[in-house]
Amino acid sequence: EIVLTQSPGTLSLSPGERATLSCRASQSVSSSYLAWYRHKPGQAPRLLIYGASSRATGIPDRFSGSGSGTDFTLTISRLEPEDFAVYYCHQYGGSPQTFGQGTKVEI
Amino acid sequence: QVQLQESGPGLVKPSETLSLTCTVSGGSISSYYWSWIRQPPGKRPEWIGYIYYSGSTNYNPSLKSRVTISLDTSKNQFSLKLNSVTAADTAVYYCARTRTPYSSLGYWGQGTLVTVSS
Repeated sequence: EIVLTQSPGTLSLSPGERATLSCRASQSVSSSYLAWYRHKPGQAPRLLIYGASSRATGIPDRFSGSGSGTDFTLTISRLEPEDFAVYYCHQYGGSPQTFGQGTKVEI
Repeated sequence: QVQLQESGPGLVKPSETLSLTCTVSGGSISSYYWSWIRQPPGKRPEWIGYIYYSGSTNYNPSLKSRVTISLDTSKNQFSLKLNSVTAADTAVYYCARTRTPYSSLGYWGQGTLVTVSS
């Protein structure tokens, strides 16, 4: 199965700053079937990016995704208060689907 | 707006069967793929499997021998059964929706904690 490794484990930033999150796969993710989710405690995870770089419906343009093959990046250009949460990458091109261990973005 | 809500016992005894239901509102369960994901405390999420509205299923090989996902279109619900549970099955269980087998998880429930303990 494809193992996803996210870095860093924790990112300490302030509102308005830029966040860069990494997701590295143990083997190539086919057709860039890579998604990013934001997860706040007690809430449903929210899809941000699919297909490595496409924003989901209603997601503001401060979120952008890039990458292919084994290296993917989620960038948040200017952090808003609601962006302090845990972010997960998810590959859905290989079976079984797998997730990264998460990056916590904290103030 | 599609909403998903998990329900079921929060405590299950070892060796028994964990049973959860996901109720879908704001849209029909017909069409789309319906998934279960779990996240043990302090660990990464784990994909359990999905069911298509036609009834076809796909399970994570690591759980395949113990898992059954089914759906009830008349109630707009789908369900998860995991048998012979152990403490390692303690997790927050989520239900979610995808458009195809090769799609991201567009809608999720809030999750429900299931603890396996005697």
